[in-house]
Amino acid sequence: GEDVEQSLFLSVREGDSSVINCTYTDSSSTYLYWYKQEPGAGLQLLTYIFSNMDMKQDQRLTVLLNKKDKHLSLRIADTQTGDSAIYFCAEKDYKLSFGAGTTVTVRA
Amino acid sequence: DSGVTQTPKHLITATGQRVTLRCSPRSGDLSVYWYQQSLDQGLQFLIQYYNGEERAKGNILERFSAQQFPDLHSELNLSSLELGDSALYFCASSTGGARGFTGDTQYFGPGTRLTVL
Repeated sequence: GEDVEQSLFLSVREGDSSVINCTYTDSSSTYLYWYKQEPGAGLQLLTYIFSNMDMKQDQRLTVLLNKKDKHLSLRIADTQTGDSAIYFCAEKDYKLSFGAGTTVTVRA
Repeated sequence: DSGVTQTPKHLITATGQRVTLRCSPRSGDLSVYWYQQSLDQGLQFLIQYYNGEERAKGNILERFSAQQFPDLHSELNLSSLELGDSALYFCASSTGGARGFTGDTQYFGPGTRLTVL
C-alpha cells in the first residue's frame, strides 16, 4: 500500500524560503504532486514532477525529487502571507494518495 | 478556478438520512474521482469513474455509491448517514483515467461540506 508522510507544521518569516518535505513509499509512482489548500477552500494544484526528473522549477516554486530515498521537497522562495495554507504532497498511480498535509504559517 | 464544479457547497442533515452530492468535471475530462477529507482520516480516495464506468474503488463504504452519467457529471450518494460521515467531499476530474494510464493530472472542485447532526 501507499504511505505518504509529511511534517505537520512549518512556521516561516515573510520573505524567507519555506521548505516542505515529504516521503513516499510506492516506487512505482510515476508522478508526484503538490497541492495547496487555503482555509475553507478546495485543493489547488501547485506543481508536479515526473519520476524521472530530479528537479522542477516554476517561478517561486522548486520541487526536488530524490527517487533513491523516496523523498520529495517543495521550496517556496520569498514566502508571502498569501502562502499561508496547508500543503499536501501526493503520489499517484491511478489515484492520488495524500500525506496528512503541512500547515505553513507565515509570520511578519 | 479549476473548472470542476460541485453542488451543494454545504449540506446539513441528520443521522440516518440520505444525500446526493453532484460534480461536473472540466470540459473534455472523462474521469471523475471522489475523495473524502476528514480530520481523523485525512484525504482518502473513494472511487473513480471513467466515461461512465466504474474504474477503481478505494476506501468507500458500502453505504456510499456513485455513478457517472452520459453527460459525464457524477453523483455521490451517501445513505444511512452517521456522525462520522461528516467531512469535506471533493470531486476531481482528469482527461484520461483509462486502466494503466497514470499520466494525467487531477483537478479538484471546491468541495461539499457535509455535516451530519
